[in-house]
Amino acid sequence: EIVMTQSPATLSVSPGERATLSCRASQSVNSNLAWYQQKPGQAPRLLIYGASTRATGIPARFSGSGSGTEFTLTISSLQSEDFAVYYCQQYNNWPPLTFGGGTKVEIK
Amino acid sequence: EVLLVESGGGLVQPGRSLRLSCAASGFTFDDYAMHWVRQAPGKGLEWVSGISWNSGSIDYADSVKGRFTISRDNAKNSLYLQMNSLRAEDKALYYCAKVHGAVSGWVDYWGQGTLVTVSS
Repeated sequence: EIVMTQSPATLSVSPGERATLSCRASQSVNSNLAWYQQKPGQAPRLLIYGASTRATGIPARFSGSGSGTEFTLTISSLQSEDFAVYYCQQYNNWPPLTFGGGTKVEIK
Repeated sequence: EVLLVESGGGLVQPGRSLRLSCAASGFTFDDYAMHWVRQAPGKGLEWVSGISWNSGSIDYADSVKGRFTISRDNAKNSLYLQMNSLRAEDKALYYCAKVHGAVSGWVDYWGQGTLVTVSS
């Protein structure tokens, strides 16, 4: 089973600053990686798939990069609505669909 | 508009059973795989089970294997999760998730979830 590890667990960032979130896979998942955003009391929302393709309606300040085992989600200039928990998920090897443990982006 | 509406959650005693349902609309249901993902209170996302478009490929997380059964009725645009021998650690919000693919892929749509509480 592929294990997804996200770091850091919590990221404190000021509005307008850049946030960089990391996700590492225990073995290669090629580019079969997605990122999700989850706000309190809400279901997750798809941000990125294919490691770098933004989902419909996702602002350009969100970008994804990486392949193989190392991936990054970058939020170029944090807005108030971006403070949330972010999860990565691999879909290269199913079963299972494995999620990372999440990174909470909080206001500094 | 894609809609996924879960139902069937509730309070159940340990060892008992519960059946979750997910009513899907707004897309061609039998073209896509469907999955269940759960989230324990204050915790992260955990994949539970998935079923391919034609039910030909099914699998489960080790934590629920042998106790949970996933199924779908393409004629009714519905997904199900039969949960038997429930344990306290099964307490979670259960999400119905549409996958962008016939078997696997990223989750492009999520339901709002149905809460399962296991307690005596």
